[in-house]
Amino acid sequence: DIQMTQSPSTLSASVGDRVTITCRASQSISSWLAWYQQKPGKAPKLLIYKASSLESGVPSRFSGSGSGTEFTLTISSLQPDDFATYYCQQYNSYFVTFGPGTKVDIK
Amino acid sequence: QITLKESGPTLVKPTQTLTLTCTFSGFSLSTSGVGVGWIRQPPGKALEWLALIYWNDDKRYSPSLKSRLTITKDTSKNQVVLTMTNMDPVDTATYYCAHIADYGDAFDIWGQGTMVTVSS
Repeated sequence: DIQMTQSPSTLSASVGDRVTITCRASQSISSWLAWYQQKPGKAPKLLIYKASSLESGVPSRFSGSGSGTEFTLTISSLQPDDFATYYCQQYNSYFVTFGPGTKVDIK
Repeated sequence: QITLKESGPTLVKPTQTLTLTCTFSGFSLSTSGVGVGWIRQPPGKALEWLALIYWNDDKRYSPSLKSRLTITKDTSKNQVVLTMTNMDPVDTATYYCAHIADYGDAFDIWGQGTMVTVSS
C-alpha cells in the first residue's frame, strides 16, 4: 500500500501570509494527487487534482505542484476563509489513500 | 448538478452490521467512467477511504477493512449501498459518499456525511 505523510501537522499563520504544505508518498504516484480543504462539521472540498490542476471555482491563490513522491499545496495570500484542515490524497494505485492532514490555524 | 446524500442508522451495537445508503442525482452509474466512493472520518481524526464502485461494477476495498465491507449499486434507484460487518466502537465516525471525478479517482462532489456511533 502507498502511505502518505504531510508536514507540518499544524501550521499557525496570519492573514496575508504565504503558506506551503508538503505531502509525501511512500512510492511514486506520478501526478495522481489531490488536495482537499475541510472545515469543522463540513465535508471535504476538492481544491486541486492531478497535482497542479485547479478545480473549477477554487480561488487562484491556491496552487499545487510536484510529481513522483513529493508535492506541495501553496496558498499565496492566506484569507480568513482559508483557516481549515487540508488533506492530500493519492489515486495512483488500485487503492486510494489520504494523508493525515494539516491544520492551518490563526497565529 | 450532482448531489449525494448518505442515510442509515445513527446508532449501532457492537458486532452488528451497518448498512449505509448513498442516494445521488445528477449522474448515472450506468454511464461509462462514473464511480462512487465511501470515506469515513472518526471524530477529530483524518479521512479514511473505504471502498469504490464503478459503472462496470468494478469494486475496490481498503485492504485493512476488505473482509468486513461490501459495496453494491442499484442503477435504477441511483443508489450505492455499503455494508460493514462486525461493527466496533472504533468504527464510530462520520461516513461520506462521494462522486469520483472524470479525471481519475479524486472525489469532486461529496455528500454531507452521516454520523454513526457504535455503542451498546
